[in-house]
Amino acid sequence: GESVGLHLPTLSVQEGDNSIINCAYSNSASDYFIWYKQESGKGPQFIIDIRSNMDKRQGQRVTVLLNKTVKHLSLQIAATQPGDSAVYFCAEWGAQKLVFGQGTRLTINP
Amino acid sequence: DARVTQTPRHKVTEMGQEVTMRCQPILGHNTVFWYRQTMMQGLELLAYFRNRAPLDDSGMPKDRFSAEMPDATLATLKIQPSEPRDSAVYFCASGLAGALSSYEQYFGPGTRLTVT
Repeated sequence: GESVGLHLPTLSVQEGDNSIINCAYSNSASDYFIWYKQESGKGPQFIIDIRSNMDKRQGQRVTVLLNKTVKHLSLQIAATQPGDSAVYFCAEWGAQKLVFGQGTRLTINP
Repeated sequence: DARVTQTPRHKVTEMGQEVTMRCQPILGHNTVFWYRQTMMQGLELLAYFRNRAPLDDSGMPKDRFSAEMPDATLATLKIQPSEPRDSAVYFCASGLAGALSSYEQYFGPGTRLTVT
């Protein structure tokens, strides 16, 4: 069945450093991927998305990389700030619905 | 700015009671999703609608859960009877299928349900 998993449940980085959050997916037929950010007590918030015909997409301070060969997705956050502290979810669109991974908690050290 | 709203934000109830959660999707959105989030299971899709018609409710326990869209501005999720294992945060999300980013979903703040 479909599954989206994460390599690391927690990630701690120094403020100002770059963060890289990784995600593995299993459904090679998925054609769309999204990264969400969820702050404490709030709903998930869209960060960036990428379609399967791309391998890289950039936003403001964020970059998503897609490696279809190994079914791997990553989110890079440049110059991490305290406001980036949250749980980050990757999700894949397959079988007409989004399947979410378990999430990675990102904490920022001052 | 346009947001998905959910009521109530918190609900504590006793086992066996009926619980109704409400969601107002973003005006103009034509898809609505209900998710449940727990520490153990993460985010699980319960049901979703397109143009008010239910498309998939395979993630929902049919014997006690029901989801409806009485109109385009209201989606409801009902649990009857509620059980302690239903304790979770329930999120509603809406989207606009057919747009450039047709899979993007906008989440509400959630309803935190505690069943004792």
